[in-house]
Amino acid sequence: KAGVTQTPRYLIKTRGQQVTLSCSPISGHRSVSWYQQTPGQGLQFLFEYFSETQRNKGNFPGRFSGRQFSNSRSEMNVSTLELGDSALYLCASSRLSILSGGATNEQFFGPGTRLTVL
Amino acid sequence: DAKTTQPPSMDCAEGRAANLPCNHSTISGNEYVYWYRQIHSQGPQYIIHGLKNNETNEMASLIITEDRKSSTLILPHATLRDTAVYYCIVRVEEDDKIIFGKGTRLHILP
Repeated sequence: KAGVTQTPRYLIKTRGQQVTLSCSPISGHRSVSWYQQTPGQGLQFLFEYFSETQRNKGNFPGRFSGRQFSNSRSEMNVSTLELGDSALYLCASSRLSILSGGATNEQFFGPGTRLTVL
Repeated sequence: DAKTTQPPSMDCAEGRAANLPCNHSTISGNEYVYWYRQIHSQGPQYIIHGLKNNETNEMASLIITEDRKSSTLILPHATLRDTAVYYCIVRVEEDDKIIFGKGTRLHILP
């Protein structure tokens, strides 16, 4: 079956702009999680959506938001972009919520969207 | 803060076993240990997970100490394609967060 897809793969924006990233999970998966990866901070959890509801959020400012649609596709929005927002943004899907799935709930990651803020 | 501690980097000769340690001294009784890896320019990849028993799959083995305060991921015959950053993760139930640390950068030497 098709894997997790993310669009766009690359994006260049300027400070102050906003950006929307999209993630399509594996068919049948209801959970989509978003992560930010930078060289200095490693992989950091942003938030998870499950059945159109945000289940949890990491330590990121309110400029980072998201939503999930009835077909489980998810979007992440970053407003008022800052230079430090330049990163690889990854989404991952799983059948159950990552908070309750336990031992059998694997996450499958997409290739990521590389965002550069100038 | 991440609930796990890993060495920042390790070297391993090609063909030898790579043993990656992880400390999780505050792990709770119902928390699982998960391992992921991220090869350059790709998304993280699930490797293996366990609760308290040792686990083995086609990719690796996971050895968890009896007190569950540490674990070791074993890649039995490392190849150049195993060069990646390896993340050891413990589910933090009380905070309802998944927290990734900085991982271990594994270099496989030819």
